[in-house]
Formats: sequence, C-alpha cells, structure tokens
Amino acid sequence: QQQVKQSPQSLIVQKGGISIINCAYENTAFDYFPWYQQFPGKGPALLIAIRPDVSEKKEGRFTISFNKSAKQFSLHIMDSQPGDSATYFCAVSSGSARQLTFGSGTQLTVLP
Amino acid sequence: GAGVSQSPSNKVTEKGKDVELRCDPISGHTALYWYRQSLGQGLEFLIYFQGNSAPDKSGLPSDRFSAERTGGSVSTLTIQRTQQEDSAVYLCASSPRSREAFFGQGTRLTVV
Repeated sequence: QQQVKQSPQSLIVQKGGISIINCAYENTAFDYFPWYQQFPGKGPALLIAIRPDVSEKKEGRFTISFNKSAKQFSLHIMDSQPGDSATYFCAVSSGSARQLTFGSGTQLTVLP
Repeated sequence: GAGVSQSPSNKVTEKGKDVELRCDPISGHTALYWYRQSLGQGLEFLIYFQGNSAPDKSGLPSDRFSAERTGGSVSTLTIQRTQQEDSAVYLCASSPRSREAFFGQGTRLTVV
C-alpha cells in the first residue's frame, strides 16, 4: 500500500510561471510533511516543511499548502526559474515512526 | 565537514561479492537513516537508528542486508552476496531531534 501518492510524475513550466505539485496521504498519524529537491547526482535537500497545525507555510518563492481534512498537501513554486529544474519529492513521517516515507517524485522542467 | 559524508561515492562490484558502504553523519545528530534509490525512482527506506534504541530494520529487503552504527556516529551498510538488483544509489541521512533529515551525496553501487 502506497502511503503517499504524488502527482504529476513530470511537469513542464515556462519561466516565471507557477509550478504546483500535489501529494495525498492516508495515515492520519502523520504529523510532519517536508518537500525535498534533488538535482542529478546529488542527494535530496530539504526545501520546506510543514506540520498539521498550520494550513500554509511560505519561504521565499516556495509555499506549502496543507489540507488536513482532505489529507493532501502541495508545493507551489512561484516565479519558476530554470534553476528550479529538478526532481521534487514529498514525504511524510509520524512521531512514532520517524523514518520519512517518500512520494514517487516529480520531475520539474522550467523552460527559459 | 559540515554535511553528511558517504564513502565510497561509486562502487562497482562483482555479483556474489560483499560490499560495505560508510556514512559519517552530521556531528550531534541523533538519528541516522539509510535509503535506496533505484534509477529514476523514489527513495526506499531501509533502516533507521535513533540514539541508543534498537534500530528499525523494517525496510531491509532481505537478510543479505545489514547495518550497524558505532558509538552513535558512523554507520556501515553491508550487503552480502550482492545481486544485480542491488544496483542503486544508497543514501544516508542524519537528523537532529527536529526531524529535519539531511542527506549525503550517496554511494552509487553497480553490481556486474
């Protein structure tokens, strides 16, 4: 059973546009929702994270929107840049099982 | 160094041989994780160490895989009798109490 479902698998956006990646989860015990960015040949890097007591968190051009009742959260990249082209992974974890469970990833391409 | 360090960065081994992969976590981080990432795929959880607690080995795919963490710091992932399906990038991450996981660059293992 897939614990977190991520979509879309790939995304192409024009420079300056908004990139939106979605994740859905099943287990209501999850209480930590990070997004990771991975460039080819590199390990994933933490981008931004949210806990379920807030509905939105913004850091620069990156925003997480969280819908607890729908068990969904999404990453919004405003004013997307070619340098944002990478693979993005959502993840979930809980206080009792702290290992991160990752989504399948979204390959983002921002066209110049 | 300030980040998670993994060695070797690349390893080519013959089928049936044993391999050891090393991870030096960020100093002071109490948690350490191993993940596996197959080509173009997501991150598969392998094992999790937290302080002096018994490790969570629930993600290890077979008894050919084992890991240890000495002195609460350095960790070694051992794969015995390697198979071609073990070819992947093995990623290590460490985390302070806040659950933010910081990844190393990974070890690319190729079994020929």
